[in-house]
Amino acid sequence: DTEVTQTPKHLVMGMTNKKSLKCEQHMGHRAMYWYKQKAKKPPELMFVYSYEKLSINESVPSRFSPECPNSSLLNLHLHALQPEDSALYLCASSLYDPDSPLHFGNGTRLTVT
Amino acid sequence: AQSVAQPEDQVNVAEGNPLTVKCTYSVSGNPYLFWYVQYPNRGLQFLLKYITGDNLVKGSYGFEAEFNKSQTSFHLKKPSALVSDSALYFCAVRDRNFNKFYFGSGTKLNVKP
Repeated sequence: DTEVTQTPKHLVMGMTNKKSLKCEQHMGHRAMYWYKQKAKKPPELMFVYSYEKLSINESVPSRFSPECPNSSLLNLHLHALQPEDSALYLCASSLYDPDSPLHFGNGTRLTVT
Repeated sequence: AQSVAQPEDQVNVAEGNPLTVKCTYSVSGNPYLFWYVQYPNRGLQFLLKYITGDNLVKGSYGFEAEFNKSQTSFHLKKPSALVSDSALYFCAVRDRNFNKFYFGSGTKLNVKP
């Protein structure tokens, strides 16, 4: 079982809906990440939070809005998504240390209709 | 810029035979290299890493990887493959100065009984 918990596991939303993805870890990791993954492709980095501050935004459209309320929680707010945004959204965390691996959650499978 | 390449989209091996999944890297400075495995509808699981020291790194589930500086390679190996090893494998390098991981394109490993 993963130590990074993501909810919900599956989400279906219409293009006019607003929804949120949630991620939680209690490993004391101070770097948290959102990745988007299409089938059989590598994860694509979206956002990185370092010590609860947004440190990297990979030019993600504004219909995706990240939030880090505290050191254990990471949210991704979704609004006015497109069908091409359908993907597996992965949360990950790591120590703020170059030799530390990423710890991934099992993801949220998002379908935009 | 840091990058890794996985030259094989797919590797097929018979159960009980040794397996190799290839990865080459291009980094400035010393590399921080990682291998991850992904099973269907799951997040990525960390297998092993190379930071410094011995060129042969041992990891989870009997996997090991050989770091070769002259060939800039970090191939994943296992002496005897199991059907349950069938999955998608990603090589990754971590940027030392930023919280970014660069993933290879992935290699699908098929182990046949």
